[in-house]
Amino acid sequence: EAGVAQSPRYKIIEKRQSVAFWCNPISGHATLYWYQQILGQGPKLLIQFQNNGVVDDSQLPKDRFSAERLKGVDSTLKIQPAKLEDSAVYLCASSLSAGFNEQFFGPGTRLTVL
Amino acid sequence: AQTVTQSQPEMSVQEAETVTLSCTYDTSESDYYLFWYKQPPSRQMILVIRQEAYKQQNATENRFSVNFQKAAKSFSLKISDSQLGDAAMYFCAYRQQYSAGDMRFGAGTRLTVKP
Repeated sequence: EAGVAQSPRYKIIEKRQSVAFWCNPISGHATLYWYQQILGQGPKLLIQFQNNGVVDDSQLPKDRFSAERLKGVDSTLKIQPAKLEDSAVYLCASSLSAGFNEQFFGPGTRLTVL
Repeated sequence: AQTVTQSQPEMSVQEAETVTLSCTYDTSESDYYLFWYKQPPSRQMILVIRQEAYKQQNATENRFSVNFQKAAKSFSLKISDSQLGDAAMYFCAYRQQYSAGDMRFGAGTRLTVKP
């Protein structure tokens, strides 16, 4: 069974530029999560989708971050404009449903903002 | 709000020995899940072991076991017969049983295994 796929693996941009990350969850998983992991910290949830609807985006900085999950499968996370403090690893995870308690993680995208 | 604390930023163990990683959490809920995730340098988080709060029996997965003390809100991970491949960051995580899914992670413990 294929795991959660993410691209790109690495991205370097200058501040005020925009960037987008892509995630393809495990086939059949209805719930998709985006986490931000700053160096030296544990992951922090940014947004959770159930199919193509947003369940929780309370910690998403909506003035610069946006995410969508069209057709309830793939998802993209965008940052526009980027700030230095956005440098982090962005992890995507998926689970069969919101009630199922195991999340499967992708390899993450390491973003460096200069 | 639920918080998860890992008080050991770094731990070291000799190969084949046993090591225990500590985790405490704060919650007013009675139904929840606890997890230990491993994150190697490849960055992919891998579930090591999980515990449902309503179960009194400590979870075990091969060389990995937990010591779950609900009253003390403590959830430590014991790794027996440590192997070089166990070297990684280990994260303790908490999740309410009936929540939409927000998982709270600790800051992590970096485990080094010495040959």
